[in-house]
Amino acid sequence: GIQVEQSPPDLILQEGANSTLRCNFSDSVNNLQWFHQNPWGQLINLFYIPSGTKQNGRLSATTVATERYSLLYISSSQTTDSGVYFCAVRRRRSWGKLQFGAGTQVVVTP
Amino acid sequence: SAVISQKPSRDICQRGTSLTIQCQVDSQVTMMFWYRQQPGQSLTLIATANQGSEATYESGFVIDKFPISRPNLTFSTLTVSNMSPEDSSIYLCSVVLTGANTEAFFGQGTRLTVV
Repeated sequence: GIQVEQSPPDLILQEGANSTLRCNFSDSVNNLQWFHQNPWGQLINLFYIPSGTKQNGRLSATTVATERYSLLYISSSQTTDSGVYFCAVRRRRSWGKLQFGAGTQVVVTP
Repeated sequence: SAVISQKPSRDICQRGTSLTIQCQVDSQVTMMFWYRQQPGQSLTLIATANQGSEATYESGFVIDKFPISRPNLTFSTLTVSNMSPEDSSIYLCSVVLTGANTEAFFGQGTRLTVV
């Protein structure tokens, strides 16, 4: 199956700092999504980004499909950004099934 | 987007018993899935819930342990049978909308603890 690797595994930030999370994948994909899992376990959609760049407030994401990686940028981090960030991909002809990376645990301190 | 209601949100169950989790979507969807997230781990696909036919299970998951029903295009249930403490996990329902945008959406999850 497809391999999805996220880095770093853990990240501690001071409030106001910027950070970059990375997702590498081993095969061509037709879907890539970033999620934020809050401390209550809820999975929140951040970006649907099989290619290109998108921005939503302080968050932005870029996927370079030909080089098989995606980046999630967090700017001016806030304590509410704490949680686990997951990258998930879908291979072509995989009928909607997502393969998740191991996640990046982010802790933002005041 | 899709609004997904999952019930119960959490439960504590005795070993050897079974729990049925419900997933209701606010619109008809073709593809519906069930995932498991063990403590401190990532999400793993259990099965694809097929409307009107048997679910398609991923390697390592079997129907006897995780029976799934999908009577229509907006509703599905996952049962965790004969539970043991190793089944303590978050179970999540997911849907993929039909169309060019194949974004996946998740329910709020069911946090199961088996004692």
